[in-house]
Amino acid sequence: GENVEQHPSTLSVQEGDSAVIKCTYSDSASNYFPWYKQELGKRPQLIIDIRSNVGEKKDQRIAVTLNKTAKHFSLHITETQPEDSAVYFCAARGAGNMLTFGGGTRLMVKP
Amino acid sequence: DAGITQSPRHKVTETGTPVTLRCHQTENHRYMYWYRQDPGHGLRLIHYSYGVKDTDKGEVSDGYSVSRSKTEDFLLTLESATSSQTSVYFCAISGGQANTEAFFGQGTRLTVV
Repeated sequence: GENVEQHPSTLSVQEGDSAVIKCTYSDSASNYFPWYKQELGKRPQLIIDIRSNVGEKKDQRIAVTLNKTAKHFSLHITETQPEDSAVYFCAARGAGNMLTFGGGTRLMVKP
Repeated sequence: DAGITQSPRHKVTETGTPVTLRCHQTENHRYMYWYRQDPGHGLRLIHYSYGVKDTDKGEVSDGYSVSRSKTEDFLLTLESATSSQTSVYFCAISGGQANTEAFFGQGTRLTVV
């Protein structure tokens, strides 16, 4: 089955700096890669996603890049703000429509 | 928010007892998933369903069973609860096309004592 690795597990940045979270996946048939943000005590919520026929997607301060050849994708957050502090999960959808998640990254933005 | 509701929201049960968690959706989505979330492990897939009476195992299915007798309900059963099944359980749903967003329920915090 699919295996998704996510790094780093924790990330601390200064407000205004950029943050980058990286994921790799194993199943070359995976074709959909969402990113979720989970605040403490809340459910995960989608912040951005990318499909396998696209190399990059941007939404305001958030961008995702996908390298299908290397089987990795990354989340980039620019001009970080304290409210960006949360746990972020990457995921990959592969065979049978299974959605497999990475282990999560705890992002802390220091004011 | 998508129409997805989990019940109960919190439960404490004793080791060895059966427990059933319910996920109910009003979106008529085809796919439904059960995940467990534990510190250091992220979200791990237990079982998922791709239609009524169509289910498959995820990466941590041992000790769990599921049933989907109608589109809107997906039940997760712990046949004989163990302390290692203490966790937060999330249900998720997604639509008929392969690449649509998955929406999560509010989660169920289960404690096995």
